[in-house]
Parts: sequence; C-alpha cells; structure tokens
Amino acid sequence: GQNIDQPTEMTATEGAIVQINCTYQTSGFNGLFWYQQHAGEAPTFLSYNVLDGLEEKGRFSSFLSRSKGYSYLLLKELQMKDSASYLCAVRASGGSYIPTFGRGTSLIVHP
Amino acid sequence: SAVISQKPSRDICQRGTSLTIQCQVDSQVTMMFWYRQQPGQSLTLIATANQGSEATYESGFVIDKFPISRPNLTFSTLTVSNMSPEDSSIYLCSVSGTGQETQYFGPGTRLLVL
Repeated sequence: GQNIDQPTEMTATEGAIVQINCTYQTSGFNGLFWYQQHAGEAPTFLSYNVLDGLEEKGRFSSFLSRSKGYSYLLLKELQMKDSASYLCAVRASGGSYIPTFGRGTSLIVHP
Repeated sequence: SAVISQKPSRDICQRGTSLTIQCQVDSQVTMMFWYRQQPGQSLTLIATANQGSEATYESGFVIDKFPISRPNLTFSTLTVSNMSPEDSSIYLCSVSGTGQETQYFGPGTRLLVL
C-alpha cells in the first residue's frame, strides 16, 4: 500500500513564500503530482515529478527526492487567490497509472 | 487538456433512492475514473471505467452499490444505488492525459442524501 503525509493546514502572508511538504511511502515509485483545489471546485493539475530535482513553473515549483520519499511545493509571491487545498498524489510502479492522493494541505493566504 | 462536464452538478436525494451521474469528455480518452471526496477528505478512487467491459472497482466499492457504464471513449455514468446519508459526498469524474502524466477532473457532482 501507499502512505502519503502532508500538513493539514498552513497560513502565510500575501507576497511571501510558502513551502508545502509531502512525504510518502510506496512500493515502487512512478511519479508524484501536485494539484490545487479551490473550495467547491475540482482539482487542477499543477506539477508532475518523476526524477529528482526541482521543476519550476512560474510562481510554483515542485521538488522531489526519491531516496527520501519527499517532495515539496513552493509557492512564491503569494496572492490571495492561492488560498486553496494542495493535494500531493503518488503513483506506484507496477502497471497502474492511477495515483493515490494525500489528504491535502489547506493553505490560507492573508493580507 | 481535456474538458470534462458532469450532470447533475448537485442533487438532494431521499434515502433508499438511486442517482445516476453522467460524465462527458470533449475528446476520446483511454482511461476514465470515478472518485469520491467526502467533506474534509481527499480523493478516494471508486473504480476505473473500462470501455466495453465491466468496471474495475477498488477495495471497499462494489458493482451493486456503484454500477458504472462506459459505452464509448467519451462518456461514462456512475450510479449511486440505494443511497444512505453516508453517501453524501462529491463525486468526480476524471480522465488521464495522453501521456498519462496528468489527470484531469470534472467539476464534480455534490450529492446530499437525507
């Protein structure tokens, strides 16, 4: 089975930087996803990491360390609209393309 | 990216009744999935909808309770049968991108069972 752990809630100030961590345990590894979900809306894809290192995409970056079973999502220049739940999802190796989702981190950005 | 629509967007149902949720994708996709998201929880996979054959259900979900149809590569339905208040949840349709590196979600169906 898989175990994915991320903080339940975080708060940050507009304009600041926040890092949301995700640790996982899985039998084999075949990719890690980050999704953003605003209240009452469907999750939207943010990033995909399958190799170690940092992937940068505008204000958002995602890092992966496979040996440590660890990833983080870095959000820079925070805006009020970044208040949302951020879901970490891990796909195990072995043929299934379906990732398992963590419980999500609720990020609150305040002025 | 794929554009996914779901109907109905929300419903309030009586205990013991059934509701069928429709999912329509704007392009042909190989993989379609149904998820449930209960209040304050993350996404739980119910089943993979297979075109032309029976759906593949995850542990804890059975066909009698959640029958699924997938008549073609752009459409699927999920039925929540003999509903109880515990079935109150958001039900989301999802598809994989062509490279299966991304997964797209429909807007969800918000179900309240009284």
